[in-house]
Amino acid sequence: QVHLQQSGPGLVKPSQTLSLTCVISGDRVSSSGAAWNWIRQSTSRGLEWLGRTFHRSQWYYEYAVSVKGRITISPDSSKNQFSLQLKSVTPEDTAVYYCAREGVGATNPFDFWGQGTLVTVSS
Amino acid sequence: DIQMTQSPSSVSASVGDRVTLTCRASQGVSNWLAWYQQKPGKAPRLLIYGASNLQSEVPSRFSGSGSGTDFTLTISSLQPEDFATYYCQQAKSFPPTFGQGTRLEIK
Repeated sequence: QVHLQQSGPGLVKPSQTLSLTCVISGDRVSSSGAAWNWIRQSTSRGLEWLGRTFHRSQWYYEYAVSVKGRITISPDSSKNQFSLQLKSVTPEDTAVYYCAREGVGATNPFDFWGQGTLVTVSS
Repeated sequence: DIQMTQSPSSVSASVGDRVTLTCRASQGVSNWLAWYQQKPGKAPRLLIYGASNLQSEVPSRFSGSGSGTDFTLTISSLQPEDFATYYCQQAKSFPPTFGQGTRLEIK
C-alpha cells in the first residue's frame, strides 16, 4: 500500500516561497510506473493540477501554465520524497495543497493522495 | 485545456436511493476519465478509473460508464457514508483537469 506524508509550513508571507515535501512509502519516487504530482484546491479555483515529475531513464518535469516560472518540483531518491517550491506567492495561492501519485498505464488516475496541507498566504 | 463540466452542482437524496451524476468533457477524452469522492477535510479518494473500472476496495454499488465526452457515475443504493462531493477528472490531454464537483446531500 502506498502512503504519502506531507509536511511544510501552513503560513507563508506574500512574495516569499512556499515549500512542501511529500515522503513516499510503498513505492519509489524513481519508479517507472508512476508520476508524482502536486495539486491544490481552493474555493475559487477548485481542484487545480500544478505539476509533476517522473523518471523514465531520466527525470522529467511538467508544469501548469498558470504557475510556470514560479514552480519547481524536485525529486529526492535518497530520501524517497519529492518537494514543491512556489515562488513569489500572493494571497491567490492560498489553498489546500496535495501531493498525489499518478499510476501510469491504467489511464493515469491519481490513485494515492497525501493528507493535504492548508497553506495561507498572509502577512 | 479540456473543460470538465459536472451536473448537477448539488443533489439531495435519501439513503437507499439510486443516484446518477454526470460529467461532460469539452473535447473527447476516450475512456481517460476518473471519479473521486471527497469528504470535508479529507483528500479526494479514487473511485473509478478508465471510466468504468472500480478501484480496489471501493464498494460495488459505485459504477461508472461513458466514453468520449459524456460520462456518468451511478450509486445504486445510497449509504450514509456516500454523502460527499464527487469530482470527475480527465487524463487524456495535458494538463489533467477536474470538474467543479457535485455535492451529494442528505434529503
